[in-house]
Amino acid sequence: AQRVTQPEKLLSVFKGAPVELKCNYSYSGSPELFWYVQYSRQRLQLLLRHISRESIKGFTADLNKGETSFHLKKPFAQEEDSAMYYCALIAQANQAGTALIFGKGTTLSVSS
Amino acid sequence: KAGVTQTPRYLIKTRGQQVTLSCSPISGHRSVSWYQQTPGQGLQFLFEYFSETQRNKGNFPGRFSGRQFSNSRSEMNVSTLELGDSALYLCASSLGYPPGTDTQYFGPGTRLTVL
Repeated sequence: AQRVTQPEKLLSVFKGAPVELKCNYSYSGSPELFWYVQYSRQRLQLLLRHISRESIKGFTADLNKGETSFHLKKPFAQEEDSAMYYCALIAQANQAGTALIFGKGTTLSVSS
Repeated sequence: KAGVTQTPRYLIKTRGQQVTLSCSPISGHRSVSWYQQTPGQGLQFLFEYFSETQRNKGNFPGRFSGRQFSNSRSEMNVSTLELGDSALYLCASSLGYPPGTDTQYFGPGTRLTVL
């Protein structure tokens, strides 16, 4: 079954500390993985996707197929990083359509 | 470019009624997907439309339906509302082709409350 697991509901860190938001997935094919972020009172927006290999707002994520993980990392957290983070997987449907399968999300709280 | 818009933003209905939600995608986007967000279940995929055809459907009862118009605008309908249908309904648009490779952009959502 296709599934995305984010084991932590809440992650609290101090400003300047490293951050790692965990994401594990279960998928039989070659996955397309994303991280979405939702800041307070804002819409859900794409943070990064693994195929682009970009670093957005200092965040990076590496796909580890052996461990079926796609953890999100940032070396030095900022207070403005406080938000809800969702890991998501694109599931290819038989009809050649697509659906995003989301994890339950992790709230990141960065305090000074 | 204007982002994805959804109307109405808030809706209150009673059990047994039906409701129609609307989504206008980003100009040029041909795919519209719908998601239900609840505190307990998180974000769950409802269905996806591409060029007026339903291309994918999530695991929701037949009371949930949708359609897409020739201008790519989409509506979703929920009939015989139940208390458990209270949720934030999100719409996302993307170019849609090739499937599975492009980014989805989300609207602000419609908050549905069923009393």
